[in-house]
Amino acid sequence: KAGVTQTPRYLIKTRGQQVTLSCSPISGHRSVSWYQQTPGQGLQFLFEYFSETQRNKGNFPGRFSGRQFSNSRSEMNVSTLELGDSALYLCASSLGGRGGANVLTFGAGSRLTVL
Amino acid sequence: GQQLNQSPQSMFIQEGEDVSMNCTSSSIFNTWLWYKQDPGEGPVLLIALYKAGELTSNGRLTAQFGITRKDSFLNISASIPSDVGIYFCAGQLRSGTYKYIFGTGTRLKVLA
Repeated sequence: KAGVTQTPRYLIKTRGQQVTLSCSPISGHRSVSWYQQTPGQGLQFLFEYFSETQRNKGNFPGRFSGRQFSNSRSEMNVSTLELGDSALYLCASSLGGRGGANVLTFGAGSRLTVL
Repeated sequence: GQQLNQSPQSMFIQEGEDVSMNCTSSSIFNTWLWYKQDPGEGPVLLIALYKAGELTSNGRLTAQFGITRKDSFLNISASIPSDVGIYFCAGQLRSGTYKYIFGTGTRLKVLA
């Protein structure tokens, strides 16, 4: 079955702009989580959506937002981009339960560069 | 944000050597996952652990879920050049949220 698909893979924006990233989960997976990865900070949890509802949220400012559609596809948006937002943004999908029902499968990521 | 303590941060080893890395926390977990990430790609699942004390192997990789539920380790035997990459642990908290907390990563470099 198809894996987790993230688009776009690479993008360059300038400060003050906004960006929308997309994630298509594995078929049947209802949970989508988003992570920001930078060399100095590792994998930082942004938020998780399950059945179109935000179930968990990390400690990021309100400029970072997301949503999930009825087909489980998810988007995340970053408004008023700052230089520090340059990172690899990863999404991961899972069935959404506990233990074996919640193993995360990652996409290849969207690398955002803010100039 | 929350992160697990993962060590070592990086290591250089000779091809053929065994490698060991671990993750520790003050929190209790009900699931541990180990991932490998190659440059420019997303993490790929290596091993999943669901019970305290569980020891699971995947080829040359062996991982264990600590008895206290607060730690886990990963061993790689007879390392080869393609083992190069960053290894992450991830733990799902036993109570409350369903989210995973990730370790800070171990960067492995294998010298041929």
